[in-house]
Amino acid sequence: DQQVKQNSPSLSVQEGRISILNCDYTNSMFDYFLWYKKYPAEGPTFLISISSIKDKNEDGRFTVFLNKSAKHLSLHIVPSQPGDSAVYFCAASEGGSQGNLIFGKGTKLSVKP
Amino acid sequence: DTAVSQTPKYLVTQMGNDKSIKCEQNLGHDTMYWYKQDSKKFLKIMFSYNNKELIINETVPNRFSPKSPDKAHLNLHINSLELGDSAVYFCASSQMADQPQHFGDGTRLSIL
Repeated sequence: DQQVKQNSPSLSVQEGRISILNCDYTNSMFDYFLWYKKYPAEGPTFLISISSIKDKNEDGRFTVFLNKSAKHLSLHIVPSQPGDSAVYFCAASEGGSQGNLIFGKGTKLSVKP
Repeated sequence: DTAVSQTPKYLVTQMGNDKSIKCEQNLGHDTMYWYKQDSKKFLKIMFSYNNKELIINETVPNRFSPKSPDKAHLNLHINSLELGDSAVYFCASSQMADQPQHFGDGTRLSIL
């Protein structure tokens, strides 16, 4: 029973264009959402987060959008760069869950020069 | 100056053996975690410790025993290894439980 779903296993984008990675969740108690980026043979690296009281958070080229009514969030990368090629994981947690992050399965992004 | 370091990076061993994976963080964080990434690529939390005290134990078999000698270390000991234990194990830490977690590079455990 996946509480966090990333339905696209892979995404290919041209350098300079926008990358949009999507994530859906089923647990309405989730109130904190994160995106992690992972290169092969390395651990996930924290990218950006958003709490449920916001609908958008921006950090440089990365913006996360949260649509609570649809239980959907997305990560936008603009402009995409070849170095952004990695697996992106969406994660969520409930307040008071003591850091129990529930991860999606990941989306592999390939940015072509 | 690696923030979260795990050793060993690779571990190949026979079924039935006992093994340990070590984790150390130099970030001064209070909370540490162990995750398992299985063959289907799901990252699932196993344990969480806050200041050396267990706060999350996600229905992990009791063959897995975390040990936290101090708040900078959280080691994972596994008894009587089984084929299904083959996975990549990640250690992580955070300043507090509701803040982003920093991950180590993982330990790939292969059971023959």
